[in-house]
Parts: sequence; C-alpha cells; structure tokens
Amino acid sequence: GQNIDQPTEMTATEGAIVQINCTYQTSGFNGLFWYQQHAGEAPTFLSYNVLDGLEEKGRFSSFLSRSKGYSYLLLKELQMKDSASYLCAVIFNDYKLSFGAGTTVTVRA
Amino acid sequence: EAGVTQFPSHSVIEKGQTVTLRCDPISGHDNLYWYRRVMGKEIKFLLHFVKESKQDESGMPNNRFLAERTGGTYSTLKVQPAELEDSGVYFCASSPHNNEQFFGPGTRLTVL
Repeated sequence: GQNIDQPTEMTATEGAIVQINCTYQTSGFNGLFWYQQHAGEAPTFLSYNVLDGLEEKGRFSSFLSRSKGYSYLLLKELQMKDSASYLCAVIFNDYKLSFGAGTTVTVRA
Repeated sequence: EAGVTQFPSHSVIEKGQTVTLRCDPISGHDNLYWYRRVMGKEIKFLLHFVKESKQDESGMPNNRFLAERTGGTYSTLKVQPAELEDSGVYFCASSPHNNEQFFGPGTRLTVL
C-alpha cells in the first residue's frame, strides 16, 4: 500500500514556526511533494524532495528521510495568509501522485 | 504563461444526467492527469494521459466515467449517468515530465 499519513489540523500564532510531518510506505518511492491549497483553489506547488536532507525556500523548508519514509514541511515566521491546507503527496514508480488527507493550518493573531 | 484551466468551475446536475468536464493543460505538457476529491477524503488519482494515450486509468471508479484526450491537447472527462457519490471536486494537472504536476482550479460537481 501507499498509506500517506499527516496530522489533520494544526494551529499556531502569527510569527511562530509550525512543522507538519508526513509518513509514507517506502516501497517504490520516487519523490515527495508538498502542496498548499487555499479553500476553493487549486493546490499550488511548494517543494519537491527526492534525495535525503533539507530543502530551504524562503520561509518554507522541506525535509526528507527516505529510509524512514518520513518528511516534514517547516513553515517559519507564520503569516495570516499561510492559513491553508498543506498536502503531502508521494510519487511512486507508477508516476501518479498519492496524496495524504491534508493538514489544515490555522494561523491566529 | 497560462496555467491549467478547467471548465466549468461548478456544475450542479441531477442523478442520471450526463456531465462533461474539460481540462486545458499548460501548452507543451505531454502528461495530463485527472484527480478527484470527495468530501472528507484525500485527493485520489483517476487517470494519466501521455499525449493522447491513456498511460494509466487504474483510478477510474467504474465504466460510467470516460476520459478522452483527442489530439493530445485538452482532455474531457464525461460522467454518464451521474450518481450521488460522484459529487466532489475534480482536478486536472499537467506536467512536462513525470514529476512536478501543475494543478488546475478544479471543477466542483454536485449531483442531486
């Protein structure tokens, strides 16, 4: 199977840091994506990890450990506009994306 | 550069009717994917085109769903006849190669 697990909800304060974890089954792994989705809009690309380690892109960073089947998305200096659903998606050998259920992040003032 | 577009944005139909969803991928993207999100569930893969050929249609729920991509440009997804459980948001995505996929805004389908 390709079970992709991530927490359902997280809440944080403006200016804080939040880490969203994602675990997946490692067989056939080809890469991991993080997407941001605001209500009623399309998922938008945030990051892509295929090798182990940390990828930093501005306020957002993504980490991958292939041996552990684990990734996290780190959001720093949270802003109100970061309130959204964050989707962990894994691409396996068949090239189709398998999505987690998404983590709804709520940023409070 | 125009992104992936989908039409219509919303569709409300009655059970038993037919609906056709359209997706225009980013120009030059050979790969086109259809996904669906039903309420409370994760986004799930439906099928994958490479140009006009169906590469993988393992996610299509049943034979009431028919996807086409004539000429390898835009794609249509027809649901005939629609059932209540078909309600959800249908996303289309395209990619030039088999990694990053660019998503359209989705079509919200409601079957009454």
